[in-house]
Amino acid sequence: DAGITQSPRHKVTETGTPVTLRCHQTENHRYMYWYRQDPGHGLRLIHYSYGVKDTDKGEVSDGYSVSRSKTEDFLLTLESATSSQTSVYFCAISRQRGSGTDTQYFGPGTRLTVL
Amino acid sequence: DQQVKQNSPSLSVQEGRISILNCDYTNSMFDYFLWYKKYPAEGPTFLISISSIKDKNEDGRFTVFLNKSAKHLSLHIVPSQPGDSAVYFCAASSDQTGANNLFFGTGTRLTVIP
Repeated sequence: DAGITQSPRHKVTETGTPVTLRCHQTENHRYMYWYRQDPGHGLRLIHYSYGVKDTDKGEVSDGYSVSRSKTEDFLLTLESATSSQTSVYFCAISRQRGSGTDTQYFGPGTRLTVL
Repeated sequence: DQQVKQNSPSLSVQEGRISILNCDYTNSMFDYFLWYKKYPAEGPTFLISISSIKDKNEDGRFTVFLNKSAKHLSLHIVPSQPGDSAVYFCAASSDQTGANNLFFGTGTRLTVIP
């Protein structure tokens, strides 16, 4: 199994509060991703990173920001959490992009509930 | 707009029989397809993949078939085992995008009955 951890694994917070989720990898992979999983939607990409300090938006980036100051850590921040951001969040990593040959490996997920 | 669709939310199969999970996609730019398996409270686990230059890829009990003209792929599991009970996600990507973005279907819950 790829060395990916996510913290916290569960969090309950209130509307309007800031929340930061952490993804940590020990594989030294260049690419890191944040997805959210919701019923009826599968997994959807929020943001991804292609190197330290290099990030870009995904399909559902509104209300989220990310930062990557070290290869091994990728942080997802909800500046002001809303109930629509209640979801399960997955981090993923991959060694390279393009050519369709590299696989993304997923962390165990963080279940976030916004009341 | 769901670019990858799994129209069967659930499937039940007897142990030892074949499980066939289906997936359709709408974006003709997709050139790489993957299947992931997910157990409750865990992250998705990569199962098998196929490039658009192939129409079949096999790995043990798992075979993925790709029909580009129909924009359809399927995962065959033979023989099915109780441990295969999980949610299966189909995913697709395109080299045309800026990163290795994966577009996921909504998943099919497979139950293998002992």
